[in-house]
Amino acid sequence: GENVEQHPSTLSVQEGDSAVIKCTYSDSASNYFPWYKQELGKRPQLIIDIRSNVGEKKDQRIAVTLNKTAKHFSLHITETQPEDSAVYFCAASMRRETSYDKVIFGPGTSLSVIP
Amino acid sequence: DAGVIQSPRHEVTEMGQEVTLRCKPISGHNSLFWYRQTMMRGLELLIYFNNNVPIDDSGMPEDRFSAKMPNASFSTLKIQPSEPRDSAVYFCASLSPRTGELFFGEGSRLTVL
Repeated sequence: GENVEQHPSTLSVQEGDSAVIKCTYSDSASNYFPWYKQELGKRPQLIIDIRSNVGEKKDQRIAVTLNKTAKHFSLHITETQPEDSAVYFCAASMRRETSYDKVIFGPGTSLSVIP
Repeated sequence: DAGVIQSPRHEVTEMGQEVTLRCKPISGHNSLFWYRQTMMRGLELLIYFNNNVPIDDSGMPEDRFSAKMPNASFSTLKIQPSEPRDSAVYFCASLSPRTGELFFGEGSRLTVL
C-alpha cells in the first residue's frame, strides 16, 4: 500500500524567511497530492493541492512542486508569518474515474515561525 | 451545510467500558474516513467507506475496534472494551467527489483511564 514520508519533523524559521517541507510517496499510481494545515487544537484543513498532470502550483505565498519520476513533492512557504505556525501534513491519493482512493498522510511537520 | 459533525467532542471513560463515536458526513460526499491522531503515530487511517460500504479496514488496530455506516448520513466507530492506549483524538472526514478534498469534523477527544 501507499506510504508517505515527510521531512523535517520540526522546522523553526524567522518571520519573513522561507520554509520548505519535503515528502516522498511509494505508490506510483498516486496522482493527487494535497497539503493540510492543522493549527493547535483544531482540525486539519486543506491549503493547497497538486495533481500529477502539473509540476508546480502557486497560491499567494504558498507553492507546491511535484516530481513524479522521483516520487517527491514539496511545500514552499515564502515570507513566513507567525500565523503560519502549525503542523503541516502532506498526503497522497489516487483519483479514479468517479471517486478517490484512500488518502494517506505523512507524519507531519511542526512549523514554528519566530517573530 | 454545517460541515462534518462528530459527537461527542470529549469522552472520558474507564478501561473496559464501551465507547461509541458518531459522525455525520457532508451531504453528497460518498466517501467517509475515520482517522486516529496521536503525538506518536500522527494521523492514522483506521477505515474508510465508499457508498456506505467498508473498502479498507486494514488500519483498524484490533478486534476491539469496529465501524459501521448504515446509511449515507451516519457512521459510528465503536471500541469495546476500551484500553488506556486507545486515548487519542478520533477524526471523521468526508471527501468531496468533485475535488478530492477531505473535510474533517472537529474530532472526538477520547481519554481512557
